[in-house]
Amino acid sequence: KAGVTQTPRYLIKTRGQQVTLSCSPISGHRSVSWYQQTPGQGLQFLFEYFSETQRNKGNFPGRFSGRQFSNSRSEMNVSTLELGDSALYLCASSLVGGSAYEQYFGPGTRLTVT
Amino acid sequence: AQTVTQSQPEMSVQEAETVTLSCTYDTSESDYYLFWYKQPPSRQMILVIRQEAYKQQNATENRFSVNFQKAAKSFSLKISDSQLGDAAMYFCAYSLSGYGGATNKLIFGTGTLLAVQP
Repeated sequence: KAGVTQTPRYLIKTRGQQVTLSCSPISGHRSVSWYQQTPGQGLQFLFEYFSETQRNKGNFPGRFSGRQFSNSRSEMNVSTLELGDSALYLCASSLVGGSAYEQYFGPGTRLTVT
Repeated sequence: AQTVTQSQPEMSVQEAETVTLSCTYDTSESDYYLFWYKQPPSRQMILVIRQEAYKQQNATENRFSVNFQKAAKSFSLKISDSQLGDAAMYFCAYSLSGYGGATNKLIFGTGTLLAVQP
């Protein structure tokens, strides 16, 4: 069974631009979560989607948004990029939701904002 | 608010020896999960072991075991017979308990970088 895939793996953007990252969960998984990983702030929860509905959102500005499609694939978008948005963005999928079910992480997208 | 604290930024262990990574957490909830995740240099986060708070028995997965002290809010990871492949960043994480439609938001500690010396 294929694992969680994230595209692109690496991305370089300029301040003020916007970016869209994609996450394809493991086949059959309906829950997708996103995390931002930086050296300064560590791993922080961005949002969580289940059956196309945002179920939970972290403490990030409105420039960060996401969505989930009917095939459970998820995208996150960051508008008006800032230098501080440079990070590794990880997504994780699980069968349904709830911590009783193991989450599987993707390899991440490394975003660099210049 | 729930918090997770890892007080050891770096640890080192000799191959075949045992090492213990520390984690403390704070929560007012009684039903939750605790996890140890491993992030090797390739960056793919992997679940090492998890513990359900209502289970008193400590979880064990092969060479990995935990010491869960609920009253003290402590959750340490013991790695026995350390191998070179164990070298990685280890994150302790917390999540509220739930099934089905419940959230699976993870709250992570800052991580412990484990080096394994040959």
